[in-house]
Amino acid sequence: GAVVSQHPSWVICKSGTSVKIECRSLDFQATTMFWYRQFPKQSLMLMATSNEGSKATYEQGVEKDKFLINHASLTLSTLTVTSAHPEDSSFYICSATYRGSDTQYFGPGTRLTVL
Amino acid sequence: GENVEQHPSTLSVQEGDSAVIKCTYSDSASNYFPWYKQELGKRPQLIIDIRSNVGEKKDQRIAVTLNKTAKHFSLHITETQPEDSAVYFCAASNGGYQKVTFGIGTKLQVIP
Repeated sequence: GAVVSQHPSWVICKSGTSVKIECRSLDFQATTMFWYRQFPKQSLMLMATSNEGSKATYEQGVEKDKFLINHASLTLSTLTVTSAHPEDSSFYICSATYRGSDTQYFGPGTRLTVL
Repeated sequence: GENVEQHPSTLSVQEGDSAVIKCTYSDSASNYFPWYKQELGKRPQLIIDIRSNVGEKKDQRIAVTLNKTAKHFSLHITETQPEDSAVYFCAASNGGYQKVTFGIGTKLQVIP
């Protein structure tokens, strides 16, 4: 149980384009989803917390107009990287939790490469 | 906000030996402490967790201890095997829907 999927698993795009990443909870209703960014050999850095039906809460230093997060349903959250640049290249991972649980269940991640 | 420090950053052990990873946290309100294992290019996998009302928890070869007074917690892996090689992250949170703060990670290498 508690499976989280992400799509796509990897994406390569040109500088200046936008990329959308989907995060889905497959067998539970995710009341809260989290988006992380992980650079090589580094820890997971929280970008934002997303509750279903409300605006995401962004961490300090994360541009909300660049990283658009939508949590339209209890099983889907999307992260859109707008006007991507090479420095946005990273491993983006989502996680989800459900009511009554402390545990975050992670998606497999999306590797973004911006050329 | 919460700050989690983790050490060592790298750890090499011989197969069969024990490995210990230590973490400290700063927020006394934190009450949930998960440990994740991440293999290269893969998602973090929860391996064990502990809540603040418990001092120790064990699951087969893995154990975690928590000292609330000192605000530190540790992961112990006994009888290490090559498949234990990975990066291990400690984390702390207030539980529920609260965000989790991760340590920097420990790269564990088990030498056959």
